[in-house]
Amino acid sequence: EAAVTQSPRNKVAVTGGKVTLSCNQTNNHNNMYWYRQDTGHGLRLIHYSYGAGSTEKGDIPDGYKASRPSQENFSLILELATPSQTSVYFCASGGRGRTEVFFGKGTRLTVV
Amino acid sequence: GQQVQQSPASLVLQEGENAELQCNFSTSLNSMQWFYQRPGGSLVSLFYNPSGTKHSGRLTSTTVIKERRSSLHISSSQTTDSGTYLCALDGAYKVIFGKGTHLHVLP
Repeated sequence: EAAVTQSPRNKVAVTGGKVTLSCNQTNNHNNMYWYRQDTGHGLRLIHYSYGAGSTEKGDIPDGYKASRPSQENFSLILELATPSQTSVYFCASGGRGRTEVFFGKGTRLTVV
Repeated sequence: GQQVQQSPASLVLQEGENAELQCNFSTSLNSMQWFYQRPGGSLVSLFYNPSGTKHSGRLTSTTVIKERRSSLHISSSQTTDSGTYLCALDGAYKVIFGKGTHLHVLP
């Protein structure tokens, strides 16, 4: 069964600190995505990747970096966390073209 | 403008009533997927439906590419159907979500 695992599931970070959210998929999918979900905004795309070594900017990339060191792993990095980045973050994976997308269970990040 | 528009934004039903949720898109489509989410919960895939009609229990999804729309029909709604329904468009390069329909089914 398709699986996307996010860690940590919950995180409290201090303003100005560095935060790394990790995502692992066992679906052998080429595409991976990071979204954040906020009330009133729905799911917004931060970064995505077509495969190992590639990262692309989504709709709201400012303040975030991404890293795709392998097919299985895709990380979201907040170099200098701010309270406005408090949100729920979802990772997803999908194949190229007409294939289903699978989501992780989400990471709740609070920046204080 | 927004590439994926969902309607209605919110809906209140009496248990047993039917619901029709709409998703309209303005960009090219590789596939359409419908998700369900409880408050604070993860996204559960309901349908992967790039075109045509698919059924699953009380749910039916229909995607008509030429008309740039997809719909989700819920028949005989139950209180456990309450939550948010999201459509997601897999376009040329990325997956884009609508803002969702918040459904509340009253007993």
